[in-house]
Amino acid sequence: EAHLVESGGGLVQPGGSLRLSCAASGFSFNTNVMNWVRQAPGKGLEWVSSIVPNGGTTYYADSVKGRFTISRDNSKNTLSLQMNSLRAEDTAVYYCTKKAQDYCSVIPCFDFWGQGALVAVSS
Amino acid sequence: EIVLTQSPGTLSLSPGERVTVSCRASQSVGANYLAWYQQKPGQAPRLLIYGASSRATGIPDRFSGSGSGTDFTLTISRLEPEDFAVYFCQQYGTSPLTFGGGTKVEIK
Repeated sequence: EAHLVESGGGLVQPGGSLRLSCAASGFSFNTNVMNWVRQAPGKGLEWVSSIVPNGGTTYYADSVKGRFTISRDNSKNTLSLQMNSLRAEDTAVYYCTKKAQDYCSVIPCFDFWGQGALVAVSS
Repeated sequence: EIVLTQSPGTLSLSPGERVTVSCRASQSVGANYLAWYQQKPGQAPRLLIYGASSRATGIPDRFSGSGSGTDFTLTISRLEPEDFAVYFCQQYGTSPLTFGGGTKVEIK
């Protein structure tokens, strides 16, 4: 079964940067679309970004476009999210997720989630 | 983008009762690409339903989904103690994918 473990969360000042990583195991990482979804404290879920299996195409929510960069290293089964110019409204738990290949359309739904990494943006 | 509105916000119920959660879309969800997730406190969401009515692997048959177009429903036929959680809908028919605000099912 797929297993996803996020790391790299923490407290950062507004305008700062942070890099999240997600270690994947238990499935064929290099053939799966991977994603980041976030959840602000006490709030609902928000899709952040997706990346195709070969890393050649990426997608971003308008709220993070130009500030966040998703990437992957298929040799290390690792997904990353570089977050720059962070704002208070970026404060959230960030989940690494795997697209449910057998269930979804071109646009993902998610069958495996990590436990999340908390990012807090505050001065 | 498609806005998903869930109702009610909170349901207070007892084990054994039937649960009905509504998810209404601001425009038609393409091909009924609508999923439901369950999230327990401190845990990541779990996929329950995809394609509006198909159960994901390992999901008990007391969970069912229905609906089409703009109106979708998640039903739990008989609440078990482990079902008390927050439930989210998600559409993946139109980019960007979007989630509903969630419905909390709490113990009465």
